Amino acid sequence: GAVVSQHPSRVICKSGTSVKIECRSLDFQATTMFWYRQFPKQSLMLMATSNEGSKATYEQGVEKDKFLINHASLTLSTLTVTSAHPEDSSFYICSARDLSQTYNEQFFGPGTRLTVL
Amino acid sequence: AQSVTQLGSHVSVSEGALVLLRCNYSSSVPPYLFWYVQYPNQGLQLLLKYTSAATLVKGINGFEAEFKKSETSFHLTKPSAHMSDAAEYFCAVSATFNNDMRFGAGTRLTVKP
Repeated sequence: GAVVSQHPSRVICKSGTSVKIECRSLDFQATTMFWYRQFPKQSLMLMATSNEGSKATYEQGVEKDKFLINHASLTLSTLTVTSAHPEDSSFYICSARDLSQTYNEQFFGPGTRLTVL
Repeated sequence: AQSVTQLGSHVSVSEGALVLLRCNYSSSVPPYLFWYVQYPNQGLQLLLKYTSAATLVKGINGFEAEFKKSETSFHLTKPSAHMSDAAEYFCAVSATFNNDMRFGAGTRLTVKP
């Protein structure tokens, strides 16, 4: 089946530093990847849609200069949290759509727990 | 625009009892509907999906869901709960012709021994 990986699974950083999270589709090509944010005991909130070779589309209220998204290939998208602050601490989950699928199914990564001290 | 509403943020059942998790959707176009399960500190795993074929959809781990257009519902059921079913469950909707997937608020399922 389709597998999506994320790296790292956990990261702790100091306030003011930048953190990069990678999302990879391991056995399929993904023209579109999605980045979600999940606060404790809450649902997933779509942050942005990432299309290979073009600029990401951000949801309303998400700062594009703070959450930099790069989708340089059909198997890799990265999310960089710039100048992280404690309020950025959250669970970040990516997902990817399989090119060969027609039903909009998204395959999810295992998530990255970011803690900003 | 599409949206889903999950009724009940927390459902508790006894082991062996019926599991019923409710999801109602709103969509201006024929929807694709999904149920995902999330275990603590993990990503989402697809349980089942409705893609306009059969209205009764069978998924993994003994779960199934029925698409009822007249009720705009897509409730998730399992005849007999197992302890390992305890998790967070999310209903999601996607429009037929675009990429957006919108999630419900989630329902936490607790299974009592």
